[in-house]
Amino acid sequence: ETGVTQTPRHLVMGMTNKKSLKCEQHLGHNAMYWYKQSAKKPLELMFVYSLEERVENNSVPSRFSPECPNSSHLFLHLHTLQPEDSALYLCASSQLANPYNEQFFGPGTRLTVL
Amino acid sequence: ILNVEQSPQSLHVQEGDSTNFTCSFPSSNFYALHWYRWETAKSPEALFVMTLNGDEKKKGRISATLNTKEGYSYLYIKGSQPEDSATYLCAFSPYGGSQGNLIFGKGTKLSVKP
Repeated sequence: ETGVTQTPRHLVMGMTNKKSLKCEQHLGHNAMYWYKQSAKKPLELMFVYSLEERVENNSVPSRFSPECPNSSHLFLHLHTLQPEDSALYLCASSQLANPYNEQFFGPGTRLTVL
Repeated sequence: ILNVEQSPQSLHVQEGDSTNFTCSFPSSNFYALHWYRWETAKSPEALFVMTLNGDEKKKGRISATLNTKEGYSYLYIKGSQPEDSATYLCAFSPYGGSQGNLIFGKGTKLSVKP
């Protein structure tokens, strides 16, 4: 157990659906992250939140909309996704949003877009 | 475009063998280098965060070295055990990059046969 939980673990959705991924960290960290891993590609950073403010948006399409209501919770709202958005979505947290802090990852949500 | 290369892509060893793999990253603009261990169906887990040229870190049978001037890091596993089977990821944080921004390699998948 890393102290970072993600729900759901698996999600199948149609292109017209709206769904949300949830991440919760129980570590008292101040930074949270969303990553995407597509098949045969490295982990790609999507968003970084530090003290509930978004500090990085890595050229992610607007059909992905993050929300960080407090330092323990992070959401990724999904709407009108494409089949190529099918991937593993990982959430992570760290004490601070800086390069020296190790990141603690959740188990991921496996998303399939039909 | 900043790229992190890991080699080999996969590795099969016998229990008791010692092994090592490489992570290459841009030598300019270095800030930090992370190593993570990712077992199948689990969360990536931090092994080391390295920042100084010549750094050597050790955790049990696993150790890592860092050369920031030539842009590489080695991960060593002494006396591999079946429980070491996992994908080992390295991630580079560039100076001047966004807060907590890690650029990952594709990983080295290690399989240890009993």
